[in-house]
Amino acid sequence: EAGVAQSPRYKIIEKRQSVAFWCNPISGHATLYWYQQILGQGPKLLIQFQNNGVVDDSQLPKDRFSAERLKGVDSTLKIQPAKLEDSAVYLCASSTNRGPGELFFGEGSRLTVL
Amino acid sequence: KQEVTQIPAALSVPEGENLVLNCSFTDSAIYNLQWFRQDPGKGLTSLLLIQSSQREQTSGRLNASLDKSSGRSTLYIAASQPGDSATYLCAVRANSKLTFGKGITLSVRP
Repeated sequence: EAGVAQSPRYKIIEKRQSVAFWCNPISGHATLYWYQQILGQGPKLLIQFQNNGVVDDSQLPKDRFSAERLKGVDSTLKIQPAKLEDSAVYLCASSTNRGPGELFFGEGSRLTVL
Repeated sequence: KQEVTQIPAALSVPEGENLVLNCSFTDSAIYNLQWFRQDPGKGLTSLLLIQSSQREQTSGRLNASLDKSSGRSTLYIAASQPGDSATYLCAVRANSKLTFGKGITLSVRP
C-alpha cells in the first residue's frame, strides 16, 4: 500500500514570495491533516479536512495560509506572502474514519524562508 | 486545553540498555494515545497506538503503556540498538484533536 506522498521535499524562497505544497493521502483515507513542525517542536495542526470539508482550521493563519482539498483526495497548502517565521517542515497526514483513527504521515516538505 | 509533556528532551544510552521514555498529559479524558518515531529530516512513523480502554500495546521490542488516571504513558524499548536513535513523540487524541509533545531525542551509543 502506498503511503502519504508529499512534494516538494525542499523549498527555499525569499520572504514575501509564495509557495505551495502538495499532498496525496493514502487511498481511502477520508481525513487529511496539515501540520507545521518548527525545529525542536512537536507538530502543530494547521488544518484538518474530512473528505473535502474543513473540520478544524482554528490555528491556520488565514491572512497568509490557505488550503484546499478538491474532490476529497489531494490537497494543496499555500503560503502567500511568506515570512521568516514560516520556515518549518510541513507535514501531511491521513487517517480513516473507521477504527481508532491512527495517523500516517508523509515525509514532509521543508521550507526555508530567507 | 490539553498539554503533553515529554521529559527529558534528550537521552543518551549505551547499546543494549533497556529504557523508558515518558509522556504525560493534563486532561485524562482521552480517546487514544499514539507513539511516533521521527528520523532526522523525515516524517513521523507510527509505532504504537493505545486506545483509552487499553493498558498497553506491544510491537517487537517496543511496549507502550497507558495510565489515564495519572495522565501518563511510557514507551519501553528493550535491548536498545544504535538504529533506535531517533526522536520519539507521543500524541494524545481528545475531543477529535491530536496534541503532540515536543519529543525525546534518543541516541544509542555503540
